[in-house]
Amino acid sequence: AQSVSQHNHHVILSEAASLELGCNYSYGGTVNLFWYVQYPGQHLQLLLKYFSGDPLVKGIKGFEAEFIKSKFSFNLRKPSVQWSDTAEYFCAVVGNNDMRFGAGTRLTVKP
Amino acid sequence: NAGVTQTPKFQVLKTGQSMTLQCAQDMNHEYMSWYRQDPGMGLRLIHYSVGAGITDQGEVPNGYNVSRSTTEDFPLRLLSAAPSQTSVYFCASSYKREVEQYFGPGTRLTVT
Repeated sequence: AQSVSQHNHHVILSEAASLELGCNYSYGGTVNLFWYVQYPGQHLQLLLKYFSGDPLVKGIKGFEAEFIKSKFSFNLRKPSVQWSDTAEYFCAVVGNNDMRFGAGTRLTVKP
Repeated sequence: NAGVTQTPKFQVLKTGQSMTLQCAQDMNHEYMSWYRQDPGMGLRLIHYSVGAGITDQGEVPNGYNVSRSTTEDFPLRLLSAAPSQTSVYFCASSYKREVEQYFGPGTRLTVT
């Protein structure tokens, strides 16, 4: 079975700092990649997705992610975080008809 | 559209009790799934369905049953609740498995 790794469990940043959250997966074939966000007390919402084409994808709220096939990675970035970005972020990968989520990264942004 | 709805929002069970978590969607999605969310473990797939009358097991199916008699509804049954089933349960739907999922608000279940 494939696996998805999110190496940062809890990230604490000050407002305006830059963010990069790592996501690595194990499946070697064609994949669809997603980042979801879960704000406190809410359900998961899609931030962005990659199916094919330009490996740099832009999502909502200024987030972007880069697919690097050779590194099996799909890292999430934001140039300047806001207090409202405090949430848990999940990477998800679909490959060979199997969808897996990472364990999640909790982001705390200090005002 | 209401999207994906789940009931109840909170539930406390005693060990050995059974119950059904309800999930419904009004987007005419063929694919529906149930996940449990536990701290440090992300979301793990319990069961899924690719259409009415078709269900299959996910990563952690033991102790749970599902059925899909209509496109809209996908209930999850706990047969004999155990403390290990204390978790937050999310239902999700999409028009197929490979695309983005739409999640319900979740059910927080505590088994004592």
